[in-house]
This record gives sequence, structure tokens and C-alpha cells, in this order.
Amino acid sequence: RKEVEQDPGPFNVPEGATVAFNCTYSNSASQSFFWYRQDCRKEPKLLMSVYSSGNEDGRFTAQLNRASQYISLLIRDSKLSDSATYLCVVRDNTGKLIFGQGTTLQVKP
Amino acid sequence: NAGVTQTPKFQVLKTGQSMTLQCAQDMNHEYMSWYRQDPGMGLRLIHYSVGAGITDQGEVPNGYNVSRSTTEDFPLRLLSAAPSQTSVYFCATGASGPDTQYFGPGTRLTVL
Repeated sequence: RKEVEQDPGPFNVPEGATVAFNCTYSNSASQSFFWYRQDCRKEPKLLMSVYSSGNEDGRFTAQLNRASQYISLLIRDSKLSDSATYLCVVRDNTGKLIFGQGTTLQVKP
Repeated sequence: NAGVTQTPKFQVLKTGQSMTLQCAQDMNHEYMSWYRQDPGMGLRLIHYSVGAGITDQGEVPNGYNVSRSTTEDFPLRLLSAAPSQTSVYFCATGASGPDTQYFGPGTRLTVL
């Protein structure tokens, strides 16, 4: 079992749609959680950290469920510019970042 | 303020050749790391450094060496390139550890 698992997609949605991605992690002692965004053939960039109480940044909402060991990312009112691969990232209890393989989102006009 | 720079952008090597991938940052970050990204897999940590003079192995260190003589630079050396090292290599830095890392633009390496 991979330490961090994501559905690779692709998720194809129309502009204006709401889309949600989930990510599961295997190490219950994991410390911190993040979503990164990676555009095609570009470097990953931090989208947002994920806090236990959940957090929101504009159209993006991240949730953490420690009991079930999953993280989610919700994108509301999708824009064409949201098309990218979204990487779920977990910092384990040794301090290392573990990356999921990513979920690809394609927003269509 | 260039952030994190990597050179070269592209490289083709023959099996057995050696080379150094360069990474430089101007953000005065103590933490630097090297990852490789392969299709269908998440980024995997090769080596990392928590400050000048200190390096440690990540998940996939075999075949790679690093050194950290200055805060700014963190080169990655391939000792004897193998086709399995064909990948995209990213350098990343963090102000206070691996959280909130800034990635360089990557080096696309092909080993024939």
C-alpha cells in the first residue's frame, strides 16, 4: 500500500462546477498535511496547508479527517486556470514529506 | 530575487557518465532538498540538508551524492548514470524545514 494515495483522474469538469479530491495516508502518526499544485511540465507550488479544523482560501477548502486518515480539497466555481495536477503531501513522524502521485483536473469551457 | 534556480534545464547522458545538477537559492533558507519525479509516482526524496555542512539521505539516495558547502548551493552528483535515473529532478528549499517548500523549475534528465 502506498503511504499517500490519490485517484490520478483525470477529473473533467465544466467551468463553474464544484469538484472534490480525496487523499488517504497510511501513517497515523503523520504530522502535517498540504496540497500542492503542479502545472504541466512545471514545478510544484504550495496551494495550502491543511489544518485539523479545516481551512478555506477563496474558492479552495481543505479538510483533514485524522480518524479516517484522509484529506480533501474542494474547489468551488472552477476556472479554466484551475486545470493542473493537485498533489497531496504528508509530513510523516520522521519529518520527511511524502508526496501522492497527484490528481489531474481538467476544467472545460 | 531569483528564488530557486536549477541548471541545466535538460540533459542527455550516456550510461556510465557522471554529471552534477546545480541548485542555487537566494532566499537564505537553511533547508534544501532534491527530489525525483517519475510518471505514476509521487516525488521521492533523494537527499536533503538542514544547513551548510549537513546532509542526509532521503528515500532513494543510491547512485547520488550531495554536498552543502554554502547556504546558497546544493549540487546533486550522479556518479555513474544509469537508465533508471532518467527522471525529472527538482530542488526545493524551506525556511524552517520541509514544510512550505519552494521548488526550482526542474532538470529533465535522460540516460541512454
